[in-house]
Amino acid sequence: AQTVTQSQPEMSVQEAETVTLSCTYDTSESDYYLFWYKQPPSRQMILVIRQEAYKQQNATENRFSVNFQKAAKSFSLKISDSQLGDAAMYFCAYRSAGYGNKLVFGAGTILRVKS
Amino acid sequence: DAGVTQSPTHLIKTRGQHVTLRCSPISGHKSVSWYQQVLGQGPQFIFQYYEKEERGRGNFPDRFSARQFPNYSSELNVNALLLGDSALYLCASSLNPADGNTIYFGEGSWLTVV
Repeated sequence: AQTVTQSQPEMSVQEAETVTLSCTYDTSESDYYLFWYKQPPSRQMILVIRQEAYKQQNATENRFSVNFQKAAKSFSLKISDSQLGDAAMYFCAYRSAGYGNKLVFGAGTILRVKS
Repeated sequence: DAGVTQSPTHLIKTRGQHVTLRCSPISGHKSVSWYQQVLGQGPQFIFQYYEKEERGRGNFPDRFSARQFPNYSSELNVNALLLGDSALYLCASSLNPADGNTIYFGEGSWLTVV
């Protein structure tokens, strides 16, 4: 079974600075997808960024980018120019490429943004 | 277009009771999944339904059941509630089970068991 580990329960960043959230995963599969979701106090899961394992190029979405290291099974999220609205719980998630879109989530990292 | 809608938003039940949670997927989405998120933890997969058939089940007891209707909406039922069932229950919809690009979540139903 696949597992996702987020080793940072909580992180803080100063507004306009850059922060990196860590995620490692364990799988024997070669084809899969990785995601970062943001969960603000409203509790709705919002997709931040997604990475296909077969792509070597790291995904980027505006201020959000990932560092995907397939051999190391590492998938970190970098948030540049942090904004107050980035404060939330962030979850790393794994999905097999096969049929069925079950997501396996990590325990989450609380991100606090200081003004 | 409306997003994934869930009802009720909050509810309180007593141990031993039964609860039904409802989810309406995004228009055009035929696959619905349910997740349980206990406070302080990541969501855990419960069920996936597609075309009214169960396509996946997580490691949850038989007290948990679900179904999907012809209009693709879904119900999650939990019998004989335990204190440990207190959690946020999230519904997610996608076009189909193979689609990893468009998984959207609702705002969840908060269940408190007392």
